[in-house]
Amino acid sequence: EAGVVQSPRYKIIEKKQPVAFWCNPISGHNTLYWYRQNLGQGPELLIRYENEEAVDDSQLPKDRFSAERLKGVDSTLKIQPAELGDSAVYLCASSLESERNDEQYFGPGTRLTVT
Amino acid sequence: DAKTTQPPSMDCAEGRAANLPCNHSTISGNEYVYWYRQIHSQGPQYIIHGLKNNETNEMASLIITEDRKSSTLILPHATLRDTAVYYCIVRLAISSGGYNKLIFGAGTRLAVHP
Repeated sequence: EAGVVQSPRYKIIEKKQPVAFWCNPISGHNTLYWYRQNLGQGPELLIRYENEEAVDDSQLPKDRFSAERLKGVDSTLKIQPAELGDSAVYLCASSLESERNDEQYFGPGTRLTVT
Repeated sequence: DAKTTQPPSMDCAEGRAANLPCNHSTISGNEYVYWYRQIHSQGPQYIIHGLKNNETNEMASLIITEDRKSSTLILPHATLRDTAVYYCIVRLAISSGGYNKLIFGAGTRLAVHP
């Protein structure tokens, strides 16, 4: 079974430029998450989708970040414009939302460097 | 969700048991204890979770104290590939109105050496 796929794996951009990350979750997983992980810290949730609906985006900086999950499958996270402080690893995860099986499966992440 | 406290780092010799402690003194009765780990340059990986009984799977064992204020993750025969950051997370059960939200702390950096 294929895991969570993310692309690109690495991205280097200059500040004020836009950037987008793509995530393909595990087939059949209705819930998708985007996390941001700063160096030396644990991941921090940015947004959570149940199917197409963003049900928790309270930690998403909405002035410059946006996300979408079309047709309840793939998702894209965008930053426009990027700032130096956005340098981090962006992780995507997916899960089934059930009492018996709610393990989150993470992708390898996209390492963003803003110069 | 209850807060957890973990030591920042631990060492373990290859082949020996690694015992990773976690304090969660404010845990409530319907909160589970979850463990994830993150190997360098990879995303976190689920290990195990439990409510109040000890749990074991192919990866590890989870020992939860009777008062549920602390727990220990046991890797019975640590290998070099177990070198990772280990996160202990307390989370409300879905059946109690919670949802699958993981709040990661800084975790414990486990180094397994030859």
